[in-house]
Amino acid sequence: SAVISQKPSRDICQRGTSLTIQCQVDSQVTMMFWYRQQPGQSLTLIATANQGSEATYESGFVIDKFPISRPNLTFSTLTVSNMSPEDSSIYLCSVGRLVSYNEQFFGPGTRLTVL
Amino acid sequence: GQQVMQIPQYQHVQEGEDFTTYCNSSTTLSNIQWYKQRPGGHPVFLIQLVKSGEVKKQKRLTFQFGEAKKNSSLHITATQTTDVGTYFCAVGGAGSYQLTFGKGTKLSVIP
Repeated sequence: SAVISQKPSRDICQRGTSLTIQCQVDSQVTMMFWYRQQPGQSLTLIATANQGSEATYESGFVIDKFPISRPNLTFSTLTVSNMSPEDSSIYLCSVGRLVSYNEQFFGPGTRLTVL
Repeated sequence: GQQVMQIPQYQHVQEGEDFTTYCNSSTTLSNIQWYKQRPGGHPVFLIQLVKSGEVKKQKRLTFQFGEAKKNSSLHITATQTTDVGTYFCAVGGAGSYQLTFGKGTKLSVIP
C-alpha cells in the first residue's frame, strides 16, 4: 500500500478566497484522484490528475473552479477557487494500483469550512 | 459512469448481532470493491470481487458477488464495536481505474 499525506488537514476560509490542497505519495504512482465528501455523504470524484497533461474532470466539476496540478508521479495539488459555503466539505486524494487490482488508497483528507 | 444502489443507509445493531449491507446495479459489473470508513477517518480498501458468484472471507466479514454480477453483499458476523463505521461499495468500469461509490451504509454497534 502507499502512504499518502495531505496538507492542510483542515482549514477555515473566507468566502471568495482560494485554498490549495497538497497530496504527497511515498512512491511513484500513475493514477491520482481527487474526491469530495460532504458531511455524512458518499464520495464524489472531482477529477483524475494526470501527470504531464491536464486533469480529466467529472461532470459538474470544471477546471476554473478546481484547478489541479500534477508536476510529477508523487505529488498533486487541488485548488478550490473563489470559495463559497457550499464548498465546505472534505477533500480527499487517492492513488490507484496498476496491477491486479484497481483498488484505491486514500489520503487522510482535508476538512474545509468556508464562512 | 455506472450507478450502484446501496442499502440500508443506516443500521443499528446490538453488539454480537449480524450485519449485512447490499449493493445493487441494473447493469452487469466488471468488478466491485468494498471500503470501510471509520468516523473521522478516510476510506480504507477491504476487498475486490471480480468473478461471478465469488465469495471471499476476511475473519468475520464475508463478501459475495452475485451470479449475474449485478449485486454484492458484505456480511459481518457477531458485530463488535470496532466494526463501527460506514461501509461503501464502489464499482469500476472495465478498463477504467475510476470508481463510483455507493451512498454507504452507516453501522452503529450498541455495546
